[in-house]
Amino acid sequence: EVQLVESGGGLVQPGGSLKLSCAASGFAFTTYPMNWVRQAPGKGLEWVSNIRNVSENKMHYADSVRGRFTVSRDDAKSSVFLEMSGLRAEDTAIYYCAGDYGYAFEMWGQGTMVTVSS
Amino acid sequence: QSALTQPRSVSGSPGQSVTISCTGGTIDIGTYNRVSWYQQHPGKAPKLMIYEVTKRPSGVPDRFSGSTSGNTASLTISGLQAEDEADYYCCSHVGMHVGMHTWVFGGGTKLTVL
Repeated sequence: EVQLVESGGGLVQPGGSLKLSCAASGFAFTTYPMNWVRQAPGKGLEWVSNIRNVSENKMHYADSVRGRFTVSRDDAKSSVFLEMSGLRAEDTAIYYCAGDYGYAFEMWGQGTMVTVSS
Repeated sequence: QSALTQPRSVSGSPGQSVTISCTGGTIDIGTYNRVSWYQQHPGKAPKLMIYEVTKRPSGVPDRFSGSTSGNTASLTISGLQAEDEADYYCCSHVGMHVGMHTWVFGGGTKLTVL
């Protein structure tokens, strides 16, 4: 069974930092590019970041987070991470980990909530 | 403001068909053909329903179909069922340059089954 389990969310003050993790199982993790997609409370989906598989070794970011967020992966642990710094109130959202195939997000985790507030 | 425009809401009765549109503003949907559609029930993670405009993942009923015409993509749900009531999002992969991988979502459409 394919599983993506996010963790690391919580309450953080504006300007603070947080590191999210996503543990994958049930599929060939090393071959899949992985993404972070977020959803602010009551709002729509927003793509945040993509990390290619080890053969490409490239990362991509939405303009809204570039320079503040860093995506990485540990294929030995079948995990992907999102390090967030300089957090703002508008970063408050559920953060989903998603694996992409065919230019689409084939598999999703259940999400982890990040709240940026003083 | 989303680069992809969807109607805020659509509705239909059980057994009927509904179509949700997704119009690219600055995104040329017709050129890329990399449109996907997601279903999201309240409190749940999104689920992939359509990818590469017309393809259905394993397990998605053939009542769900996708298409494009010019700069507009569409999701059609035929034989509406109560469990189809959900939010639906279109999404387009945007690779302005070779090797670039970014995506943009539409604002979402709430489907109500009357």
